[in-house]
Amino acid sequence: NAGVTQTPKFQVLKTGQSMTLQCAQDMNHEYMSWYRQDPGMGLRLIHYSVGAGITDQGEVPNGYNVSRSTTEDFPLRLLSAAPSQTSVYFCASSTGNSYNSPLHFGNGTRLTVT
Amino acid sequence: GENVEQHPSTLSVQEGDSAVIKCTYSDSASNYFPWYKQELGKRPQLIIDIRSNVGEKKDQRIAVTLNKTAKHFSLHITETQPEDSAVYFCAASASGGSYIPTFGRGTSLIVHP
Repeated sequence: NAGVTQTPKFQVLKTGQSMTLQCAQDMNHEYMSWYRQDPGMGLRLIHYSVGAGITDQGEVPNGYNVSRSTTEDFPLRLLSAAPSQTSVYFCASSTGNSYNSPLHFGNGTRLTVT
Repeated sequence: GENVEQHPSTLSVQEGDSAVIKCTYSDSASNYFPWYKQELGKRPQLIIDIRSNVGEKKDQRIAVTLNKTAKHFSLHITETQPEDSAVYFCAASASGGSYIPTFGRGTSLIVHP
C-alpha cells in the first residue's frame, strides 16, 4: 500500500492564482481531511469528509474548496491564492470510526504564495 | 466544541533524561487520545494512543497516562535519545456526534547529546 499520497510536494503561486492540491489514499478509508500547519499554530483543520459525496468545513475553511467524488481522492482547491495561505498542507485519512482510529498523514505540500 | 491545551511548547533535555508532555481536554465525551511525532520536514506519525477505558499504556521507552476525572493525559519518554528530537502533538476525539480529532499546538522536544 502507498498509504496517503499528496502532490505536488512544493508549489509557488502568485497572488490571485488558483490551484488544486491532490490527495489520494489506497487504504479504503472513509474519513479524509485537510490540515494546514503554520509555526506555533499546530495542525488546523480546513475541510473533512466522512465518505464519498459528503464534505464539511473545519476550523479554517475560507478560501478553500473540496469535493469527494470517490473514496480514494480528496482534492483541495485554492480559489484565489493569498499570501496568508502560505503554509504546509497535510492530507490525512482514517477508517470510518475515526474516534478510535489514528490518522494516516501524507507527506505534505509546501505552498508559498507571493 | 473540544479544546486541547498542550504544555510545554518547548522542552529541552539531556540525553538519557526523561521527558513529560501534558495535555488537557475540555469535552468529557472524548474517549480516544493519540500522540503523533513529527520529525523536521516530515509528516506526523502515530507513536502511541490510549482509549478511555485504560489508565496507562506502555511501548518500550514511551508511555501514556490518562486521568479522566481531571481530563488530562500525558506522554512520558524515558532514556531520551537524540532521535527523539521532534515535535509531538496530542489529540482528543469522541465517539458519536463530531468525532473529528482536536489537536494540541505541539511540543518541540530537543534532546541534547
